Amino acid sequence: RKEVEQDPGPFNVPEGATVAFNCTYSNSASQSFFWYRQDCRKEPKLLMSVYSSGNEDGRFTAQLNRASQYISLLIRDSKLSDSATYLCVVTQTGANNLFFGTGTRLTVIP
Amino acid sequence: ETGVTQTPRHLVMGMTNKKSLKCEQHLGHNAMYWYKQSAKKPLELMFVYSLEERVENNSVPSRFSPECPNSSHLFLHLHTLQPEDSALYLCASSQDRFGTGGSYEQYFGPGTRLTVT
Repeated sequence: RKEVEQDPGPFNVPEGATVAFNCTYSNSASQSFFWYRQDCRKEPKLLMSVYSSGNEDGRFTAQLNRASQYISLLIRDSKLSDSATYLCVVTQTGANNLFFGTGTRLTVIP
Repeated sequence: ETGVTQTPRHLVMGMTNKKSLKCEQHLGHNAMYWYKQSAKKPLELMFVYSLEERVENNSVPSRFSPECPNSSHLFLHLHTLQPEDSALYLCASSQDRFGTGGSYEQYFGPGTRLTVT
């Protein structure tokens, strides 16, 4: 079983739509969670950390569900510039292990 | 953005060549990482250095040899590579609070796109 699993998509949504991605992780000892964004042929860039209480940054909302071992990313009012691959990252404190999902490809259509 | 820089950006090398990838971070971080990204695969963590000590080596073949002379610089020495080693090699850095090399926000360089012929 993979450490981190994501639906690879692609998700094709119209501008202004709301879209949600989920990511599941297999190790219940996982401690830190992040969403990264990667544009085509560019490096991943940190989008937001995911906290137990959930957190919001503008149009982006991240949630963590430890009981079900998944994290989610919600994007409201999608913009063309949101088109990218979104990577879920899960880490385990003290184990020197960071695990990336394969990414979910989002295309926002005019 | 110039927080983490990598050179060269593109590299084509034959299987018998020896080359080195360079990474430099200007963020004051104390941990640095090498990743490999192949098409349609998740990022693979190769090496982790924290406080200039290697803390992780994920069963990477010996034809890849890392070097961390100080907390700002990281090298990946390459020799006798195989065509399947062609990939994007990404360097990242972070602030590691516990000396274990993980768990915190990482900042990536632009990567070196390597092609082995």
